[in-house]
Amino acid sequence: EDQVTQSPEALRLQEGESSSLNCSYTVSGLRGLFWYRQDPGKGPEFLFTLYSAGEEKEKERLKATLTKKESFLHITAPKPEDSATYLCAVKGGGNKLTFGTGTQLKVEL
Amino acid sequence: DTAVSQTPKYLVTQMGNDKSIKCEQNLGHDTMYWYKQDSKKFLKIMFSYNNKELIINETVPNRFSPKSPDKAHLNLHINSLELGDSAVYFCASSQDSSVRETQYFGPGTRLLVL
Repeated sequence: EDQVTQSPEALRLQEGESSSLNCSYTVSGLRGLFWYRQDPGKGPEFLFTLYSAGEEKEKERLKATLTKKESFLHITAPKPEDSATYLCAVKGGGNKLTFGTGTQLKVEL
Repeated sequence: DTAVSQTPKYLVTQMGNDKSIKCEQNLGHDTMYWYKQDSKKFLKIMFSYNNKELIINETVPNRFSPKSPDKAHLNLHINSLELGDSAVYFCASSQDSSVRETQYFGPGTRLLVL
């Protein structure tokens, strides 16, 4: 069965303090790794999809990378508005998304 | 314009009642999903429909019955509600059911069973 583990569970950063979130996965035949952002009281918002090891994608202050066992979401010079829960999910041969429990990020002034 | 919408946003009800949650998407997508997010924020798929046909049916009590009247709508009916059904239920949609398609989520329905 596909499994996703995210770390840390929670992360507190000062504004401008760069860091990385980790997503480790076990999947039978990775078809895609997805990153979502979820704000309190809202649904997950799509950020990135990565399909193969070595692939990288960027959007504003976020950069996602992928290896054969894990993915990182790098946050460069974060701002308070980047505060949210970041969810990682994988899609394997079963064609269903398996989510991790997320990393709750808080960026303070 | 809301891409994936759900009603109601909040639902508070007594144990044993029957309730329905509705979902609509205006993205022209063929595939729709229901997810359950528990108190620990773990998001788990329940069902998926492609062109009104059930394609994913996870281990969910048969008190939960999805219905898709057309491609743009997927409703979830829950019979004999139990305390453990309290959670946030999210609807999602994707262009089709192929493995590379991105899923887009609705705002969620917060169900509290008393």
